[in-house]
Amino acid sequence: DTEVTQTPKHLVMGMTNKKSLKCEQHMGHRAMYWYKQKAKKPPELMFVYSYEKLSINESVPSRFSPECPNSSLLNLHLHALQPEDSALYLCASSQDGPTPGQGARTQYFGPGTRLTVL
Amino acid sequence: TQLLEQSPQFLSIQEGENLTVYCNSSSVFSSLQWYRQEPGEGPVLLVTVVTGGEVKKLKRLTFQFGDARKDSSLHITAAQPGDTGLYLCAGAYLNTNAGKSTFGDGTTLTVKP
Repeated sequence: DTEVTQTPKHLVMGMTNKKSLKCEQHMGHRAMYWYKQKAKKPPELMFVYSYEKLSINESVPSRFSPECPNSSLLNLHLHALQPEDSALYLCASSQDGPTPGQGARTQYFGPGTRLTVL
Repeated sequence: TQLLEQSPQFLSIQEGENLTVYCNSSSVFSSLQWYRQEPGEGPVLLVTVVTGGEVKKLKRLTFQFGDARKDSSLHITAAQPGDTGLYLCAGAYLNTNAGKSTFGDGTTLTVKP
């Protein structure tokens, strides 16, 4: 089973709303990732959790707040977003996290959440 | 900045034709993945290559990893409309502190019936 699930599939929110994106995997992976993807562009890394600890934050604005309640779950809390934050948000997991000198592990992606900020 | 160049950016062919997509870098990869993505969906892993010179086959898809582990190619034989999508390569460089994956810009493939 190489499934990563994400909810909701679609989300429309106003700039003053607070919402959360959820991601779950049951592959026993110990690293989880959030990516942002604009149309016809590659995914852009936002955050990496390794063994439930935040290991990489790619200088993401504080209006995006990640949370990893346990090794199977990853949340992305959204507050005061801007219209330019509208994108496909992808969650991924890997067996373990990026290791210096050994490279990143193969990542398995979820189906994504299509976010529209009005 | 380590760049991963993917070409061509766009490819439109007729059903039954063959095609090759390339992924190149000046730095050595520890591993490289190929993904296929449909609009509004997440990337689906096709293959991971690790060993220089490695060749992997997945039905009509053939993946090659360069001997020096700096480049890779994806060859599709007798393309079908169902092959339409965005093909992404993602490489993990050895000489980075964080070992993060770097994505190519993608190849948008359209196969016309």
